[in-house]
Amino acid sequence: AQKITQTQPGMFVQEKEAVTLDCTYDTSDQSYGLFWYKQPSSGEMIFLIYQGSYDEQNATEGRYSLNFQKARKSANLVISASQLGDSAMYFCAMREGSFGNEKLTFGTGTRLTIIP
Amino acid sequence: DGGITQSPKYLFRKEGQNVTLSCEQNLNHDAMYWYRQDPGQGLRLIYYSQIVNDFQKGDIAEGYSVSREKKESFPLTVTSAQKNPTAFYLCASSSLQGGNQPQHFGDGTRLSIL
Repeated sequence: AQKITQTQPGMFVQEKEAVTLDCTYDTSDQSYGLFWYKQPSSGEMIFLIYQGSYDEQNATEGRYSLNFQKARKSANLVISASQLGDSAMYFCAMREGSFGNEKLTFGTGTRLTIIP
Repeated sequence: DGGITQSPKYLFRKEGQNVTLSCEQNLNHDAMYWYRQDPGQGLRLIYYSQIVNDFQKGDIAEGYSVSREKKESFPLTVTSAQKNPTAFYLCASSSLQGGNQPQHFGDGTRLSIL
């Protein structure tokens, strides 16, 4: 079974609108972490936001926020007031494992295109 | 500036040839990772190392080898046993000081077969 599922292969959004990118995960661990990364066409991976499994509040970083619903095992990324520079691939990833043996598992990504 | 340097940016391999991808970091991170990315797919873990002179296989280690002789360096060798090496390879590093520390990535190496 997929550990990280991103069901939206591609999305088109009008500039200045908000967009939600979906991510669901599967784990039996009590302690885990969820990350979102942005990958522009140049290829580098840019860290956006982190949510820990024990964090009670949803994470926010500037225009990025994470809609964390633990019972539903979802960690959707919300980008407010989208900009043309937001066009990129977006990956959700989950950290599992004990200290010293932690690994990230990535989803297949969502390609976001912002329309002027 | 601190960061991760991968070289070369583009690499071509002939049949039966081993090639080595370089990854150097000056972030003083303990952990380093190698990922492979194929078109339309996410990143898959090849190898990772949490301490010098020690490393573990990831999900797709067959046909690859690594070494970790220095904290700053984690080179990846794509051997002739890897039959489909054409992909984008990303190196990453992270601190082990707490679970919220993200992995930082290099700019990647694109490997193609001649």
